[in-house]
Amino acid sequence: DAKTTQPNSMESNEEEPVHLPCNHSTISGTDYIHWYRQLPSQGPEYVIHGLTSNVNNRMASLAIAEDRKSSTLILHRATLRDAAVYYCILRNHNTNAGKSTFGDGTTLTVKP
Amino acid sequence: GAVVSQHPSRVICKSGTSVKIECRSLDFQATTMFWYRQFPKQSLMLMATSNEGSKATYEQGVEKDKFLINHASLTLSTLTVTSAHPEDSSFYICSADRTDSGEQYFGPGTRLTVT
Repeated sequence: DAKTTQPNSMESNEEEPVHLPCNHSTISGTDYIHWYRQLPSQGPEYVIHGLTSNVNNRMASLAIAEDRKSSTLILHRATLRDAAVYYCILRNHNTNAGKSTFGDGTTLTVKP
Repeated sequence: GAVVSQHPSRVICKSGTSVKIECRSLDFQATTMFWYRQFPKQSLMLMATSNEGSKATYEQGVEKDKFLINHASLTLSTLTVTSAHPEDSSFYICSADRTDSGEQYFGPGTRLTVT
């Protein structure tokens, strides 16, 4: 599985935007970029995913670089409830669909 | 939205006993489910892929005779930890693919403590 690298931790102030980066330089053409987040003692929660174009949903936006070697998860207005570990994962929908290899993720701290 | 449930949410068992954990997809069918294990302050580690109607595929280093997986229907997979030991104490999480959307949904996890 292609590897992703993320910063170990980031801080944000409440109600400010947050940009969480992810590098995936070995991404293949059929790999989708998925983002999940996990609160303590809970299962990961799906946030967003995309292939080439930028994506928006009610939770966040996903900006994908033109060469697809990096992406950024954007939380437009961070709230205290957004404090979590965010994982960026590559999933090949053609083979081993669903087999997600988790890296260490980014621990997001939101300050009031 | 799609929901995946796990039962029990937490369990304490004595060393040497077996524990069964259930994973259900509540509003969609899942041909494939996945089992992960997570130790404190660590990331999720994939243990095995559970395929409906066939044998599970285990990741390297995961003992298939110790972690028995059964996926008897399109909405239920079970993980049985046999002859549990204290080092098996962990947070076990399952997930299921919604193949029509590409989204993967995770269960809330099961905290296993072996005394």
